[in-house]
Amino acid sequence: DAGVIQSPRHEVTEMGQEVTLRCKPISGHNSLFWYRQTMMRGLELLIYFNNNVPIDDSGMPEDRFSAKMPNASFSTLKIQPSEPRDSAVYFCASSRTSGGADTQYFGPGTRLTVL
Amino acid sequence: AQSVTQPDIHITVSEGASLELRCNYSYGATPYLFWYVQSPGQGLQLLLKYFSGDTLVQGIKGFEAEFKRSQSSFNLRKPSVHWSDAAEYFCAESGGSYIPTFGRGTSLIVHP
Repeated sequence: DAGVIQSPRHEVTEMGQEVTLRCKPISGHNSLFWYRQTMMRGLELLIYFNNNVPIDDSGMPEDRFSAKMPNASFSTLKIQPSEPRDSAVYFCASSRTSGGADTQYFGPGTRLTVL
Repeated sequence: AQSVTQPDIHITVSEGASLELRCNYSYGATPYLFWYVQSPGQGLQLLLKYFSGDTLVQGIKGFEAEFKRSQSSFNLRKPSVHWSDAAEYFCAESGGSYIPTFGRGTSLIVHP
């Protein structure tokens, strides 16, 4: 099993540019989560999909952030326009079901730096 | 709202010493409880989890955790720490919501 795959692993961009982060969950998993990790705020849940449908996006910071899951094997998180305060590590995680006892499997993360 | 508290931001231990990382949760009923580990530059990996049954849970890499309802705690322990255990440790719980709530993490530093 390849695990959760994220790309790119590192992204450096300038303020105002569009950034797209990509995630491929583990095959057969029906729940997908996007998190942001910073020193100041720790690990924050941005959005949660179940069966490709966004269930909870209350953690999305503002309209500059959007996420899609067009099929069970692919999701994107887009920031447009990007700002320096968006600099963080962004993680994608998937779980087999939507059950609260289910383990989340995390990808290696994308380290985003906005200059 | 549910919350998870990890009171120690950093813990320093000597290699071979025992370890206990603290975690307290706020959910009133029996929660699902997790410990994850994050090595530098990596994503989080599950160490162990509790959702019912025996309150002492065994995990990978020689870790264990004990659920204590009376103290709303789920502390992580290891009898003898190895240098490779240096990492960030996260406690998480999911109770009333299916979406887990993570603590702020505890950074473990291991001295040789």
